[in-house]
Amino acid sequence: DQQVKQNSPSLSVQEGRISILNCDYTNSMFDYFLWYKKYPAEGPTFLISISSIKDKNEDGRFTVFLNKSAKHLSLHIVPSQPGDSAVYFCAASAPRDDKIIFGKGTRLHILP
Amino acid sequence: DSGVTQTPKHLITATGQRVTLRCSPRSGDLSVYWYQQSLDQGLQFLIQYYNGEERAKGNILERFSAQQFPDLHSELNLSSLELGDSALYFCASSVEARENTEAFFGQGTRLTVV
Repeated sequence: DQQVKQNSPSLSVQEGRISILNCDYTNSMFDYFLWYKKYPAEGPTFLISISSIKDKNEDGRFTVFLNKSAKHLSLHIVPSQPGDSAVYFCAASAPRDDKIIFGKGTRLHILP
Repeated sequence: DSGVTQTPKHLITATGQRVTLRCSPRSGDLSVYWYQQSLDQGLQFLIQYYNGEERAKGNILERFSAQQFPDLHSELNLSSLELGDSALYFCASSVEARENTEAFFGQGTRLTVV
């Protein structure tokens, strides 16, 4: 049972445009959400997070939006740059449950 | 460089064998997580240790075991290896067990079972 779902295995976006990566979750107990970015042959690196008490968190070109009622979050990258081409993992954790659960990832291609 | 060190980077072994993957967390981090990433799969949580004690368990097979030592490094032992165990194994560390902190990942160990 996949508690964190990234339904788009891949996404292609023109350089300079907005990239929107989506993530759905099923466990209503999740209260902390994270996005990780992964380049080939490297471990995932933390990108941005959001607590369930917020609905938006922004860090430079990256913004994460959380819609708790829909159990949905999204990562917006504006403007998209070539270096953003990577696999993006959505992750979540619940209180008193220390493990971080990851989605399968979305491969983002930024087109020149 | 995340500060998390995993060795070896690559491992090729035969079915039925046993291997040990090693992880050194970032300095000061007490929590270590192990994840498995197979083809077309996301990062599957295996197990977490915090300050030497098992803290959380995920989809870890009985053939797999882990431990965290007093110096906080961790080892993941995989035994009776099968072809399907071929995957990337990532270790991550964080300061606290959770407390809304992100985890820092090592570069992974690529295990190939032949």
